[in-house]
Amino acid sequence: RKEVEQDPGPFNVPEGATVAFNCTYSNSASQSFFWYRQDCRKEPKLLMSVYSSGNEDGRFTAQLNRASQYISLLIRDSKLSDSATYLCVVNMGNAGNMLTFGGGTRLMVKP
Amino acid sequence: EAGVAQSPRYKIIEKRQSVAFWCNPISGHATLYWYQQILGQGPKLLIQFQNNGVVDDSQLPKDRFSAERLKGVDSTLKIQPAKLEDSAVYLCASSFVQGGHEQFFGPGTRLTVL
Repeated sequence: RKEVEQDPGPFNVPEGATVAFNCTYSNSASQSFFWYRQDCRKEPKLLMSVYSSGNEDGRFTAQLNRASQYISLLIRDSKLSDSATYLCVVNMGNAGNMLTFGGGTRLMVKP
Repeated sequence: EAGVAQSPRYKIIEKRQSVAFWCNPISGHATLYWYQQILGQGPKLLIQFQNNGVVDDSQLPKDRFSAERLKGVDSTLKIQPAKLEDSAVYLCASSFVQGGHEQFFGPGTRLTVL
């Protein structure tokens, strides 16, 4: 089983749609969680952290369910500019607090 | 503020040849990471430095890959000899503190091994 698992997609949605991505992680001792965004042929960039109580940043909402070892990202009112790959990232709590990246979920927002 | 710099941006070599990549992190960032990203996959950590010391290199194929950060600033990653399966984007990232959640990535070096 992969340490961080995501549905690779692609998710093809029309502008204005709401889309949700899920991610599961294998290590129950994992300490912190993030979503990174990676545009085509570009480097990953931090989108948002994921807090236990859930958190929102504009049209983006992240949720964490520690019991189920599950993280989600909800995007409301999708824009063309949201088209990218969304990487689920987990700090497994090992020495060095290294981050483990999921394989990414590709989103394509169409006019 | 200048970002993470990497060079070269692209490299094409034949298998069994050697190649080296260079990274200059954001000024003041103590932690430096090298990742390998194969097409269609997420980045995989190869090695993590804290200043000039190695924190973790458990996923670095040490028979052919080596990395150093001698003065705790710039870093180089070398592959010798390269294999076809080494074709990937090599990303360098840095963070202010170890385990700092925001890692800032460079543009990467796209390596093609023929």
